[in-house]
Amino acid sequence: GNSVTQMEGPVTLSEEAFLTINCTYTATGYPSLFWYVQYPGEGLQLLLKATKADDKGSNKGFEATYRKETTSFHLEKGSVQVSDSAVYFCALGVQGNNDMRFGAGTRLTVKP
Amino acid sequence: DTGVSQNPRHKITKRGQNVTFRCDPISEHNRLYWYRQTLGQGPEFLTYFQNEAQLEKSRLLSDRFSAERPKGSFSTLEIQRTEQGDSAMYLCASSLERGAQGYEQYFGPGTRLTVT
Repeated sequence: GNSVTQMEGPVTLSEEAFLTINCTYTATGYPSLFWYVQYPGEGLQLLLKATKADDKGSNKGFEATYRKETTSFHLEKGSVQVSDSAVYFCALGVQGNNDMRFGAGTRLTVKP
Repeated sequence: DTGVSQNPRHKITKRGQNVTFRCDPISEHNRLYWYRQTLGQGPEFLTYFQNEAQLEKSRLLSDRFSAERPKGSFSTLEIQRTEQGDSAMYLCASSLERGAQGYEQYFGPGTRLTVT
């Protein structure tokens, strides 16, 4: 079945450090891949997406590249800020399936 | 339209009581989803609607749970005879079915249920 595995947290970084959160997936068909972010007390917000192999999604300095050969969609940011502190979820959606599969989430804390 | 809204944001109830949550999706979206999220986990799919039709239900959705979407607009999720294990965040999401890849779901802020 379709599933997502993401790096367990929590992750604590200093401001301006480089961030990587690993995400790998298993899917039948041709999935679209997403990263969602959840700030404290709020719902999930779409951060970025990629719909086919080798696509790169980017937003707010975050990037992720859809790698079919390694079935991965790792999230990266070159210089994190305190305001990036949140929980990040990798997710997968396959056309024809009606539920989106989420990873367990990775909590990121950025310290000044 | 500012996005998906959910009410109430928080609900505390005693075991055995019934609760009902409401979700108002983005107005032009034809699909509406309900998820449950427990602490430290990602959202888990419960059910979804295409317009007013409920087309899929997860096995997580026991017979104490019922969802409706009359007229294809807002939706309600009712839990009867609540149990402590029902304590969770209930998330609603909506999307526009375009018949192609790349659809994304837009989430509401959630309703946090605590069953005492």
